[in-house]
Amino acid sequence: TQLLEQSPQFLSIQEGENLTVYCNSSSVFSSLQWYRQEPGEGPVLLVTVVTGGEVKKLKRLTFQFGDARKDSSLHITAAQPGDTGLYLCAGLEYGNKLVFGAGTILRVKS
Amino acid sequence: DSGVTQTPKHLITATGQRVTLRCSPRSGDLSVYWYQQSLDQGLQFLIQYYNGEERAKGNILERFSAQQFPDLHSELNLSSLELGDSALYFCASSVGQNSYNEQFFGPGTRLTVL
Repeated sequence: TQLLEQSPQFLSIQEGENLTVYCNSSSVFSSLQWYRQEPGEGPVLLVTVVTGGEVKKLKRLTFQFGDARKDSSLHITAAQPGDTGLYLCAGLEYGNKLVFGAGTILRVKS
Repeated sequence: DSGVTQTPKHLITATGQRVTLRCSPRSGDLSVYWYQQSLDQGLQFLIQYYNGEERAKGNILERFSAQQFPDLHSELNLSSLELGDSALYFCASSVGQNSYNEQFFGPGTRLTVL
């Protein structure tokens, strides 16, 4: 099973600050997904990136897939308390399996 | 609300017991996935069924089994339970059989083994 490492594990910031979450692997993934999970709920898909070097924007969130398709980043601009949650990256592995990173817990204080 | 339902929401049982977790996918979705989420292992893929047939297998223990019924609902059976099986168990569904397709997660079943 391929491994995905996420950093940082925990992030506590003030409202209005910017932040970046990283997802790294030594293996190549055919695609990579980012999810957000709130307490007591299941993860919700934010984005899927497929092409190396791809950049996708979702309002204040910017997702990037590395050129070699081994790493990805999630950048949030002007974070808001509503962005608080667990952010998970997941890579699609050979055999139709999603491999998840350990997650980054984000807390945005008002 | 993702449209995926899971029952029960909470389950408390003892070591050595057997439990069944139930999942109903979104209307029209043919794939059902099962995941286990624990503090030490994170979110791990267990198994996928597509239209009644096993499609992909992950880190599922031999003590665990699953099936998808003709009405597309799925059950995850956990037997000879151990303390380490305490975790959140999520079901997800998607339209197609490829995990690339967007998966919609249910609210989960929290299993506590005492």
